[in-house]
Amino acid sequence: KNEVEQSPQNLTAQEGEFITINCSYSVGISALHWLQQHPGGGIVSLFMLSSGKKKHGRLIATINIQEKHSSLHITASHPRDSAVYICAVVTLGGADGLTFGKGTHLIIQP
Amino acid sequence: GAVVSQHPSRVICKSGTSVKIECRSLDFQATTMFWYRQFPKQSLMLMATSNEGSKATYEQGVEKDKFLINHASLTLSTLTVTSAHPEDSSFYICSATQGSPSYEQYFGPGTRLTVT
Repeated sequence: KNEVEQSPQNLTAQEGEFITINCSYSVGISALHWLQQHPGGGIVSLFMLSSGKKKHGRLIATINIQEKHSSLHITASHPRDSAVYICAVVTLGGADGLTFGKGTHLIIQP
Repeated sequence: GAVVSQHPSRVICKSGTSVKIECRSLDFQATTMFWYRQFPKQSLMLMATSNEGSKATYEQGVEKDKFLINHASLTLSTLTVTSAHPEDSSFYICSATQGSPSYEQYFGPGTRLTVT
C-alpha cells in the first residue's frame, strides 16, 4: 500500500466547476505539499502546510492531521488549470525528502 | 521567489557513457538538495538527499556508485549517471531547501535523459 494515496486519479471537468482533489497518507508527517506538474515536467509548489488551511487565488488547501487527510480545491476552474496535481509528504523522523502520491491528472474543458 | 535551475534540460546519450546534471540555487543558499526521478506515467521517487560538504544519503534501491552526487557548494549539486543504460532514461528533477525548520522545497525544471 502506498504511503500517500490520491483520488481521483483522473478528473475531467467543465470550465467554471469547483474541483476537489483528495490526499490520504498513512504515516506521521512534518508537512504536506501540493505540487503542480505541467506536461513538460516542470513542477511548481502550490502549498506547503502542516495544519489548517491556506488560500492562494483560486486555490485552497486544507489538512486534517488527525484524519491524515488533505484536500486541494480549485474554484472557478479554467482550462489553464489543466495539469497533474501531486500530493507529497515529509515523513516525521525521516530526512526531509518528499514521498509522493501518484498524482491526479486534471483536464478542464472550455 | 526562490529559483532553482537545472542543466541540461534535455540530454540524449549513448549507452555506456556518463552524463552530468547540474542543479543550482540561484538566489539562496541551499543547505540541502534532493534528487528525484520520474519514469513515464509514474510518480516521482526520491533518489538521494545531498547536504553541502557531506556524502549524499541514497534511498534504498538507488546505486550510489551509479548515481554519483556531489554537493560542493551551497548553491550547486551535481548528479552524474555513470555508464548509462536505456533503463536509466527518465526525468530527473532536483529540489533545494534552505533547511529546517522550513520544509519549503524549490524545484528545478527537470532534465529529461534519454539513453540510446
